[in-house]
Amino acid sequence: KAGVTQTPRYLIKTRGQQVTLSCSPISGHRSVSWYQQTPGQGLQFLFEYFSETQRNKGNFPGRFSGRQFSNSRSEMNVSTLELGDSALYLCASTGGGGVGYTFGSGTRLTVV
Amino acid sequence: QKEVEQDPGPLSVPEGAIVSLNCTYSNSAFQYFMWYRQYSRKGPELLMYTYSSGNKEDGRFTAQVDKSSKYISLFIRDSQPSDSATYLCAMSEDSGGGADGLTFGKGTHLIIQP
Repeated sequence: KAGVTQTPRYLIKTRGQQVTLSCSPISGHRSVSWYQQTPGQGLQFLFEYFSETQRNKGNFPGRFSGRQFSNSRSEMNVSTLELGDSALYLCASTGGGGVGYTFGSGTRLTVV
Repeated sequence: QKEVEQDPGPLSVPEGAIVSLNCTYSNSAFQYFMWYRQYSRKGPELLMYTYSSGNKEDGRFTAQVDKSSKYISLFIRDSQPSDSATYLCAMSEDSGGGADGLTFGKGTHLIIQP
């Protein structure tokens, strides 16, 4: 059974640019969540999508947005990048009544 | 006061030792308590979860939750060099994460010396 797949693995962007990250959940999982991981703040919840609808949202500015497609694949977009957006962005899926998430390996975003 | 406190370490122990990892929390609404293991350049991997108070054992790993003290622990017996990783506690009000997702500790970096 394939795990959660995130692309790309690494990205380098310039301040002010925008970026789109992609996540394919485990087959059959309908809920996809996104987290930002930094050394200072640890893992912080960005948002959760379920059946193409944003169900929950963390405390991040509106520059962070996402969407989910009918096949449960999800994308996350960050506009007007800032240096502080440099982080590991993790996608996780859940479903089937299980507890907790299955995480992907993440996308390492560096803003210069 | 942060919602979940976890000592970042590093915690260095010899191979074969018993390891104790801990977290404290402040939100009494948390019902699901999880431990994740994260290797360098990888995403977190769910090790164990516990619902409400009590103990749960899985091989060399034992998770304990004391809701009265708002304190959770993970014990690793017969530790191996392959256990060297960052261990993150996480908690939530419901099984799927809930309105605020999972709340994580910042992780403890564990080193098992051969």
